[in-house]
Amino acid sequence: EVQLLESGGGRVQPGGSLRLSCAASGFTFRSYAMSWVRQAAGKGPEWVSGISGGGGTTYYADSVRGRFTISRDNSKDMVYVQMDSLRAEDTAIYYCAKGVESIRYYYGMDVWGQGTTVTVSS
Amino acid sequence: QSALTQPASVSGSPGQSITISCTGTSRDIGTYNIVSWYQQHPGGAPKLIIYEVTKRPSGISYRFSGSRSGNTASLTISGLQAEDAADYYCWSYSVSGTLVYGTGTKVTVL
Repeated sequence: EVQLLESGGGRVQPGGSLRLSCAASGFTFRSYAMSWVRQAAGKGPEWVSGISGGGGTTYYADSVRGRFTISRDNSKDMVYVQMDSLRAEDTAIYYCAKGVESIRYYYGMDVWGQGTTVTVSS
Repeated sequence: QSALTQPASVSGSPGQSITISCTGTSRDIGTYNIVSWYQQHPGGAPKLIIYEVTKRPSGISYRFSGSRSGNTASLTISGLQAEDAADYYCWSYSVSGTLVYGTGTKVTVL
């Protein structure tokens, strides 16, 4: 069964950092681009960051560029996002999502995890 | 913030067809055939139902179809069923190299 399982969410103060992890199983991980998508309460899902299957190309939304860093470890079937300088507006459920192909994360995301909650508050 | 405009709500009776529009600009929908649609039930994760404007992932009902004309993409649900009641979001690739997303449409089955 194809599965994604996120972890690492929690409460952090403004200006703090968190690292989210996503464990993949049931598919050839290195063959697919991966993304992180977040959804604030009552809002639609917002794409945050993407990474190609080989890990050589990364993409970021303007709202997080310079603060978030996406990475992957294909030997462990894991994808990560390091979130620094967190702001209140980063509060959301963060989903890990699998792309439909290896390079272009933006063509579509066909498998999603259950999400992990990040709360940025003092 | 959302860059694509969708109607806030659309409703229909079981068996009917409904269409949800997604209006962008020449910087996104008008330039790229890279529009995807997601269905989301309350408390659940988004689910991909259409990608590359017209393609359906494996396991998605033929009742869902997508199209694009100019700066507007559309999702049509035919033979509306109770389980189609959900929120629907469109996404498009943009000239900035990122994904832009729609405001979301709540579908109600009467």
